[in-house]
Amino acid sequence: AQSVTQLGSHVSVSEGALVLLRCNYSSSVPPYLFWYVQYPNQGLQLLLKYTSAATLVKGINGFEAEFKKSETSFHLTKPSAHMSDAAEYFCAVTLLEGNTPLVFGKGTRLSVIA
Amino acid sequence: KAGVTQTPRYLIKTRGQQVTLSCSPISGHRSVSWYQQTPGQGLQFLFEYFSETQRNKGNFPGRFSGRQFSNSRSEMNVSTLELGDSALYLCASSSIQGGGTEAFFGQGTRLTVV
Repeated sequence: AQSVTQLGSHVSVSEGALVLLRCNYSSSVPPYLFWYVQYPNQGLQLLLKYTSAATLVKGINGFEAEFKKSETSFHLTKPSAHMSDAAEYFCAVTLLEGNTPLVFGKGTRLSVIA
Repeated sequence: KAGVTQTPRYLIKTRGQQVTLSCSPISGHRSVSWYQQTPGQGLQFLFEYFSETQRNKGNFPGRFSGRQFSNSRSEMNVSTLELGDSALYLCASSSIQGGGTEAFFGQGTRLTVV
């Protein structure tokens, strides 16, 4: 079965600094990987997804992630943090075959300091 | 195109009662998945309905049930509520079975059991 580990339940960065949120996955077959963002009392919004095409994936709001098979990682980055990026971020994995649901990591809360 | 609509947004129920939550998917989508989000357990898959049939089920007790109507709207029901059922319940809509690479989430229903 597939699983996701997000390193760091809380990350704090200064406004304008690099954002790096870590995600490692475990899957017996090639996975599809996602990053979602959740603002307080809201649902999940898809930031970006990897579906076996380009390994560097660009998403909304200036975020991007790189799929590294050798490291089983899918870390999320943004060159310059903005106050509006403060939210909870979730990494998720699924397999297109086999009708498998999304499996989420525990989430990383990002704080941005002015 | 309207997004995924969940009603109600907030609910307060007493232990032992039952509750029904509703989810209207994006027009044309036939798959609805339900997830429970709690601070301790994170996001956990409850079940998925596709074309009025339950296609997949997570590891939850039988008190949690659901159904899907011919217009793809879905309801989930929790009977004999327990304090631990307090959570944000999210539904996700997709045009394909299993959700695959295109799950769209609603804003959730916040259930509080007292």
